Amino acid sequence: GENVEQHPSTLSVQEGDSAVIKCTYSDSASNYFPWYKQELGKGPQLIIDIRSNVGEKKDQRIAVTLNKTAKHFSLHITETQPEDSAVYFCAAEAGYSTLTFGKGTMLLVSP
Amino acid sequence: DARVTQTPRDKVTEMGQEVTMRCQPILGHNTVFWYRQTMMQGLELLAYFRNRAPLDDSGMPKDRFSAEMPDATLATLKIQPSEPRDSAVYFCASVSSFGEQFFGPGTRLTVL
Repeated sequence: GENVEQHPSTLSVQEGDSAVIKCTYSDSASNYFPWYKQELGKGPQLIIDIRSNVGEKKDQRIAVTLNKTAKHFSLHITETQPEDSAVYFCAAEAGYSTLTFGKGTMLLVSP
Repeated sequence: DARVTQTPRDKVTEMGQEVTMRCQPILGHNTVFWYRQTMMQGLELLAYFRNRAPLDDSGMPKDRFSAEMPDATLATLKIQPSEPRDSAVYFCASVSSFGEQFFGPGTRLTVL
């Protein structure tokens, strides 16, 4: 089955810096890669996703890149703000809309 | 503002008791997933339904867990009897026609 590795497990940055979270996946048939943000006491919130027919997608301060050959994808957050502090999960679709999730990255943005 | 709802938000019960968690998917979404989240295991897929039919429940302990979708607006997850190791946050998610999964706020279960 699909296996998703996510790094780093924790990431501390200063407000205004950029943050990058990286994921690798194992199943070359996967073609949908969402990213979720989870704040304390809440459910995961879909923040951006990318499909295998594109290499990059951007939405304001967040962007995702995908390298299908290398089977890795990354989340980029620019101009980080304290409200970006949360746990971020990557995922890869393993078929029939099922997702395999990474273990999560705790991002802490210090003012 | 369409969103997934779950009840109860918090549940504390004693070992051996029955627990029922409910989920209302977003109207029009015909695929519903149940997940369990713990610090140790992360997000685990328990079961999922499409058009109310169970497609896969291989992630659930069959002897004590059961999942149903009696109608298009309600999915249920039942644990009987509950055990302390079942303590976790349980999420349901409904899936759009584009394959995007939208999560509910979760039910935090504590089994004493």
